[in-house]
Formats: sequence, structure tokens, C-alpha cells
Amino acid sequence: DVKVTQSSRYLVKRTGEKVFLECVQDMDHENMFWYRQDPGLGLRLIYFSYDVKMKEKGDIPEGYSVSREKKERFSLILESASTNQTSMYLCASSRQEGWTDTQYFGPGTRLTVL
Amino acid sequence: SQQGEEDPQALSIQEGENATMNCSYKTSINNLQWYRQNSGRGLVHLILIRSNEREKHSGRLRVTLDTSKKSSSLLITASRAADTASYFCGSYGQNFVFGPGTRLSVLP
Repeated sequence: DVKVTQSSRYLVKRTGEKVFLECVQDMDHENMFWYRQDPGLGLRLIYFSYDVKMKEKGDIPEGYSVSREKKERFSLILESASTNQTSMYLCASSRQEGWTDTQYFGPGTRLTVL
Repeated sequence: SQQGEEDPQALSIQEGENATMNCSYKTSINNLQWYRQNSGRGLVHLILIRSNEREKHSGRLRVTLDTSKKSSSLLITASRAADTASYFCGSYGQNFVFGPGTRLSVLP
């Protein structure tokens, strides 16, 4: 079974702090994704990566950056956290073959910015 | 902007009844996928239907796709309390679009 893990289930940070969210997948998937999920808005794509050191902006990249130094790990960085970044963050991975392939999701990180 | 839309936003039924959820999208797609999310957890993939398919089954799940209407439906037959969750459709074309989901409650 594909396993996607995220470093924290719950995280509380203060405004202005730098925040790192880590995601690791164990199925050698080429594609990895970061979404945020907010009530009534569904999932919105922040960034995705189709290879090591490669990244593409999604629908809402402002205020975020990402890092993919190793194939299995994709990090989401909030350079200076703000209260409007309080949300559920979901990481996912999929095979390269057709980037529209099934996505496998991690359990999510609920981030609260005070 | 969000293009996918699920309908209804919330659905409450009795155990044993069937549940139908609908999804609409706006652009042409490669495939459409349905996911389930239990409260506070990640999404779990349920079923994928390609643009050249019209219907697909998996256990108690039946998915239909009408590309002329840009819509899909998910039918869960003989529902169980364990089916209580939020259900999302993800449309995959030039980009990924997930709708806000349908919250299904199955009452024992």
C-alpha cells in the first residue's frame, strides 16, 4: 500500500514565524502535491512537483514556497505565517505516468496561526 | 478558481438506503475521480472514470460520467453508518480541480 506521511497532525504557530510542513511518500512516486482545504472551498492546489528540484505553482502559491531535494520528500514552507494561513494542509503523491493518475493523500496537518 | 461543484452540499439518509451525489465541472477532462474523507483525515481514493467511459462499478459504488453535460454522479448502494464521510470529486484536465464536497451522514 502507498503510504504518505506528514510530519505533524496538529501545529500551532504565531504570526510571523517560519513554518515547515514535511511530507514523505514511500512508493517512489514522481509527482507530489500540496493542497490546503478550507470549509466551503474544497481543496486548492498550492504547489506541485513532478521531479526532484522541480516545482510548479498551483492556484494559490502566494505566501508559500516548496522544496524537493529528494524524490520521497516534499516540504511546504510558510516564510512568515499569517492568520489567513490557518487551514488544513494535505500532501499527495502520484505516479509520473499520466500526471492525472490517482493521487494518494497523507492524513493532513491542521495548522493554526495565532 | 474552484470549478468543480458537488451537489448536494449535505445529505442525510437511513442505513440501507442509497445515496446519490453529483458533481459538475467546467473544462474538458482526462478523467474524474471520487474521493472520501473521514472527519479530520486525508482523502482516500474511491474510483477513477476516464473521459471515454460512461459508467464504472466498484463494490457498492457506481459512478457515471456524462461529458456532454460535464457532470458525474456517485451512487452508494445499501449505505452503512461507516459510509458517513465527505465525498469529493476531482476533475483532471489541464489542471486539478476539487469541489467543496458533499457531507454524507448515514443514520443507524
